[in-house]
Amino acid sequence: DAGVIQSPRHEVTEMGQEVTLRCKPISGHDYLFWYRQTMMRGLELLIYFNNNVPIDDSGMPEDRFSAKMPNASFSTLKIQPSEPRDSAVYFCASTGLAGGAQYFGPGTRLTVL
Amino acid sequence: DAKTTQPPSMDCAEGRAANLPCNHSTISGNEYVYWYRQIHSQGPQYIIHGLKNNETNEMASLIITEDRKSSTLILPHATLRDTAVYYCIVRVAFPHGSSNTGKLIFGQGTTLQVKP
Repeated sequence: DAGVIQSPRHEVTEMGQEVTLRCKPISGHDYLFWYRQTMMRGLELLIYFNNNVPIDDSGMPEDRFSAKMPNASFSTLKIQPSEPRDSAVYFCASTGLAGGAQYFGPGTRLTVL
Repeated sequence: DAKTTQPPSMDCAEGRAANLPCNHSTISGNEYVYWYRQIHSQGPQYIIHGLKNNETNEMASLIITEDRKSSTLILPHATLRDTAVYYCIVRVAFPHGSSNTGKLIFGQGTTLQVKP
């Protein structure tokens, strides 16, 4: 199995631009999670889906952030417009069991100038 | 979810056992103890989890005290590749098929440095 796949691995953009991060979960996993990691706040959950339906988006920082899961094998996290404080590493994770081990992708390092 | 307390850092000699403690004195009866680790520049990696019995897998052993207020993760023969931040997390485990998984809330963890 290829594991959780994220793209791009690195993204550098300018303030005000739209950014789209992509994730392909492990095949057969029903739950998909988006996390953000910064030095100041550590690793925090933004949103998670079950069977392509958003279950908890209470961690999404503001309306500039949106996440979609159009099918079981693909999810996007979009930031529009981006700001320098959005600079972070964004991780996607998936699991096949409620409460089971979550498998994380390699992350996307986002830098907003 | 219950809060956990871990030492910020620890050292361990290569080849020795690494014993990482975690306090979770407010844990509820239906909360499991999970351990993850994060090697530099990588995504977190699941290690092990348990409810009240001791658990062992190919990576580590988890020892949970009888009152469940603390636990210890044991890496039996630490290698340089085990240098990482180790996170102890407690959360409710939901039944299979539930849409709710509960949240993994990562604290600051313990930075384990394995030295040659």
